[in-house]
Amino acid sequence: EAQVTQNPRYLITVTGKKLTVTCSQNMNHEYMSWYRQDPGLGLRQIYYSMNVEVTDKGDVPEGYKVSRKEKRNFPLILESPSPNQTSLYFCASSPTPWGNYGYTFGSGTRLTVV
Amino acid sequence: AQSVTQLDSQVPVFEEAPVELRCNYSSSVSVYLFWYVQYPNQGLQLLLKYLSGSTLVKGINGFEAEFNKSQTSFHLRKPSVHISDTAEYFCAVRASGNTPLVFGKGTRLSVIA
Repeated sequence: EAQVTQNPRYLITVTGKKLTVTCSQNMNHEYMSWYRQDPGLGLRQIYYSMNVEVTDKGDVPEGYKVSRKEKRNFPLILESPSPNQTSLYFCASSPTPWGNYGYTFGSGTRLTVV
Repeated sequence: AQSVTQLDSQVPVFEEAPVELRCNYSSSVSVYLFWYVQYPNQGLQLLLKYLSGSTLVKGINGFEAEFNKSQTSFHLRKPSVHISDTAEYFCAVRASGNTPLVFGKGTRLSVIA
C-alpha cells in the first residue's frame, strides 16, 4: 500500500531533551515536507526537501532540523524542544516538487513538550 | 507568493442540508487547486483537485467544487451532508512552476443531527 509512515503517533517529552520524529514513504517520491498544525493557524511548513541531500526552510524552521540521506526517509529533529513546539506534526510527500500533484500525508505525530 | 483564504473557520450545518465551504486564492496565471479533508485524529486526504478542463470537479463522498477564475474562487459544495462529513477541510493552491503547495487555515464542518 502506498503510504507515508510517521512515528511515533504520540510523544510527550521534557524541555531540552533531543527527539526525532521519523517519516518514511514507499512511493519513490522526490519531494517531502514537514508541517505543523496549530488551532487557528492551519498548516505551516517547517522544512521541505526536493530530493536526496536537498533541503530548504519553510515558513517556520526555527528550532527544527531535517536530513534527507536517502529518498524514502525524511526525519524531523528537535535538538532542544521547547513548550512552544507542542503541536501536531505531519509529514507529506509528492512525486515531484512542482506540477499538478497533490500531497500524500502521514497520520500525524502529536508532540507535547512539558 | 500564492495565498489561500478560507472565509469561514467554522461551519455548523444540520444533517441532510446542503453546505458550501468557501475558498479564495490570490491570482496567478495558472494554478492547480485542491481540497483536502482531515477526519478527527487522522491525517489529511485528498478530496478533489482541479488541474485543467471542466471547471466543475467531482470528488469523493459526494463533494464537488467549482473553479471560478474571474472570482479566484474554488468553493466546495455538497447537496446533502451526513454526520460522517464532520471534519476539517483545507483548500490548497499550487501555482505552475517550481512552487510548493500553499494551504488555507481550514474550515471545521460540524454536522448536527
